Amino acid sequence: GAGVSQSPRYKVTKRGQDVALRCDPISGHVSLYWYRQALGQGPEFLTYFNYEAQQDKSGLPNDRFSAERPEGSISTLTIQRTEQRDSAMYRCASSLSTSGSNEQYFGPGTRLTVT
Amino acid sequence: TQLLEQSPQFLSIQEGENLTVYCNSSSVFSSLQWYRQEPGEGPVLLVTVVTGGEVKKLKRLTFQFGDARKDSSLHITAAQTGDTGLYLCAGHRGGSNYKLTFGKGTLLTVNP
Repeated sequence: GAGVSQSPRYKVTKRGQDVALRCDPISGHVSLYWYRQALGQGPEFLTYFNYEAQQDKSGLPNDRFSAERPEGSISTLTIQRTEQRDSAMYRCASSLSTSGSNEQYFGPGTRLTVT
Repeated sequence: TQLLEQSPQFLSIQEGENLTVYCNSSSVFSSLQWYRQEPGEGPVLLVTVVTGGEVKKLKRLTFQFGDARKDSSLHITAAQTGDTGLYLCAGHRGGSNYKLTFGKGTLLTVNP
């Protein structure tokens, strides 16, 4: 079956522009997570949803970052007024249920470059 | 402050050697997971451990959860070039917040 998909796979934008990163989780998966990952490092938690409810956004770096999952399926991570320090790989993951010990399935990521 | 410390950060060995990587914390976790990530791909789950002292085996990989549920180790026997990758541990603190906290990873290179 289809795994987690993310789009675009690569995004180059100029400093000051807004970007929207999309995540399409595995069908039926309740929980959806956003991470940011530097090269050769572990994923850094940003935020997560159960269904459409945002449960924890403590990892969002500042108020330029926001996320939504309005119908409990597809999610969008929006970065406003991008800065060069926002350049990173942004990964989405989904899991079948809300248990913390459940496997998270990761998408291929969106490589964001802010010039 | 890094909640989960992984060591070593880098490890380069020859095919056939054994190795152990560690994941340590001062905090207690209700469960801990190990993932492997290959270049250009997302992390893929290897195992979940939930009970203090638990040992799980996956072919040549042996995972152990510390008795106090603060640390874990991954031992690979007779490493193969296909074991090359970034090994990540991730912990769940428990309660109703289901986020995972990841360590920075151990980058393993197995040379032929």
